[in-house]
Amino acid sequence: EPEVTQTPSHQVTQMGQEVILRCVPISNHLYFYWYRQILGQKVEFLVSFYNNEISEKSEIFDDQFSVERPDGSNFTLKIRSTKLEDSAMYFCASSRGLAANEQFFGPGTRLTVL
Amino acid sequence: LAKTTQPISMDSYEGQEVNITCSHNNIATNDYITWYQQFPSQGPRFIIQGYKTKVTNEVASLFIPADRKSSTLSLPRVSLSDTAVYYCLVGIYNQGGKLIFGQGTELSVKP
Repeated sequence: EPEVTQTPSHQVTQMGQEVILRCVPISNHLYFYWYRQILGQKVEFLVSFYNNEISEKSEIFDDQFSVERPDGSNFTLKIRSTKLEDSAMYFCASSRGLAANEQFFGPGTRLTVL
Repeated sequence: LAKTTQPISMDSYEGQEVNITCSHNNIATNDYITWYQQFPSQGPRFIIQGYKTKVTNEVASLFIPADRKSSTLSLPRVSLSDTAVYYCLVGIYNQGGKLIFGQGTELSVKP
């Protein structure tokens, strides 16, 4: 069964450093998403991406964040200058269509900012 | 956007049937009801979706009354591995596909 993969599983970084979180969505999916979950809190939507551009973004997704699909298979989330409060699990998801029944989530990357 | 209300936590024992009810009084005519499951340290996973009456798949059943102001996720004969957080989501198609998660219901299955 196809699945969404994410690397790394755990990333530790110093405050102010740039991090890139990587995702490989399911191959025939067209819509891609990033969510985050701070420890003990609910899953929060960050951004959706379709046809090589951002479809929608939340208030969390400020200028420090960017997304890219550099090569047709990978989907990346970059945080330019990490803050302590960026520490969270980051989940990538993909779906066949915009209003598809099901979004498939990856296993997540745990980001720890020191 | 329809607000959803579900219990914060539930306890059950192995082999029992578990019913988790979600209230969504402001559900719109074209809103579907979707449930996701999240195990600790994993991403959410789609369980089931419905519009009205009853939907059943290999994992769960979803019961939706005629007024659609609530829905009940039914898990038959739970096992320890069903311990997870269960989220009820409504109206995702009106949100451009993005999923807005609430706090969910933390189900704990005991031996």
